[in-house]
Amino acid sequence: DAGVIQSPRHEVTEMGQEVTLRCKPISGHNSLFWYRQTMMRGLELLIYFNNNVPIDDSGMPEDRFSAKMPNASFSTLKIQPSEPRDSAVYFCASTLAGDGGELFFGEGSRLTVL
Amino acid sequence: GENVEQHPSTLSVQEGDSAVIKCTYSDSASNYFPWYKQELGKRPQLIIDIRSNVGEKKDQRIAVTLNKTAKHFSLHITETQPEDSAVYFCAATFNTNAGKSTFGDGTTLTVKP
Repeated sequence: DAGVIQSPRHEVTEMGQEVTLRCKPISGHNSLFWYRQTMMRGLELLIYFNNNVPIDDSGMPEDRFSAKMPNASFSTLKIQPSEPRDSAVYFCASTLAGDGGELFFGEGSRLTVL
Repeated sequence: GENVEQHPSTLSVQEGDSAVIKCTYSDSASNYFPWYKQELGKRPQLIIDIRSNVGEKKDQRIAVTLNKTAKHFSLHITETQPEDSAVYFCAATFNTNAGKSTFGDGTTLTVKP
């Protein structure tokens, strides 16, 4: 398997623009997680899905953030409108819940909002 | 919810010395405790893990210990090498809870040659 695939790897945008980050989990995994990493706040869990259903979105910072998982092989994290404080590395991770627990991370999407 | 505390936040050792990173957790239902290593600019990757029915696990130069009663677990790295320099994260997972992991804040380990 190619692992968790995220796109884009880097995104530079201007404040106010819409940003969409994409994730393809490992085939067969049934849980998907979106994390945000910054120097100040470490690894923050934003939202996670189990069997394509959002389980907990309490980590989503504001209504500007939304996430979807329309099927088992695809998820998006959208920020609209983006702000400079959203600049961070966004990681997607997947696991097979109940089978061990190891999280497999994608390579991350580095977002810079000017 | 689960709360994981990790100490120290930074650790500097001389090559060949040992390094120890400690974590505590709050939820006694957590039953899986992984450690991830994140090199600069890379993704976190699992280096070792331990389950709640085991007290200690070793893999070459790294080991993890778990004290369920006290709700703490530790990572031990012996004979450190410069390539061990990275950020290390502990996590606590309630495996039936959709596999959700709660992470510590990370420890930046620097191994000086």
